[in-house]
Amino acid sequence: KQEVTQIPAALSVPEGENLVLNCSFTDSAIYNLQWFRQDPGKGLTSLLLIQSSQREQTSGRLNASLDKSSGRSTLYIAASQPGDSATYLCAVDSGNTPLVFGKGTRLSVIA
Amino acid sequence: GAVVSQHPSWVICKSGTSVKIECRSLDFQATTMFWYRQFPKQSLMLMATSNEGSKATYEQGVEKDKFLINHASLTLSTLTVTSAHPEDSSFYICSARRVEQFFGPGTRLTVL
Repeated sequence: KQEVTQIPAALSVPEGENLVLNCSFTDSAIYNLQWFRQDPGKGLTSLLLIQSSQREQTSGRLNASLDKSSGRSTLYIAASQPGDSATYLCAVDSGNTPLVFGKGTRLSVIA
Repeated sequence: GAVVSQHPSWVICKSGTSVKIECRSLDFQATTMFWYRQFPKQSLMLMATSNEGSKATYEQGVEKDKFLINHASLTLSTLTVTSAHPEDSSFYICSARRVEQFFGPGTRLTVL
């Protein structure tokens, strides 16, 4: 059974810092991996989706990498801003099954 | 990307009443939809997988008689919380699969 772990559970950084969020999964037979953002009381916003054949995806200040063989993905946020404060969720898609979510990393960027 | 809507976005009800939440895929047909529940400061937990025209598959620990799921068409799945109690208060999120999964904006249920 696929299990997804996110480290750290919470992170507080000053504005402007670059930061890395980590995600690991136990079964490397995945279809894709997604990073989501969730603001308090809100739904999910998809940030980046990496197909199993890809190594990374970039969108603006966000860069996500995938090492399928080692069961790891990282989300890199450059030049963090207070507006980046949210919970970031990693989810693994093994194909024809529901996404399996990690517990998330709560990020606070302090102005 | 594809659009998934949920209605209502929030609902407050009295204990003992039933509440229906709708999930619609607006611009694609989804043979499979998923229902998740999220308690405060926790991650999403899958409740059930809903397949069009057949019975839903519930995750362990989810009461199928309490959480009724109907997937009558390729664009609509409904979740009915029957005889709701305060412990059912939560954020309910649906998703629809079209190769990838697309998520609805969620429904916040508060049971008084």
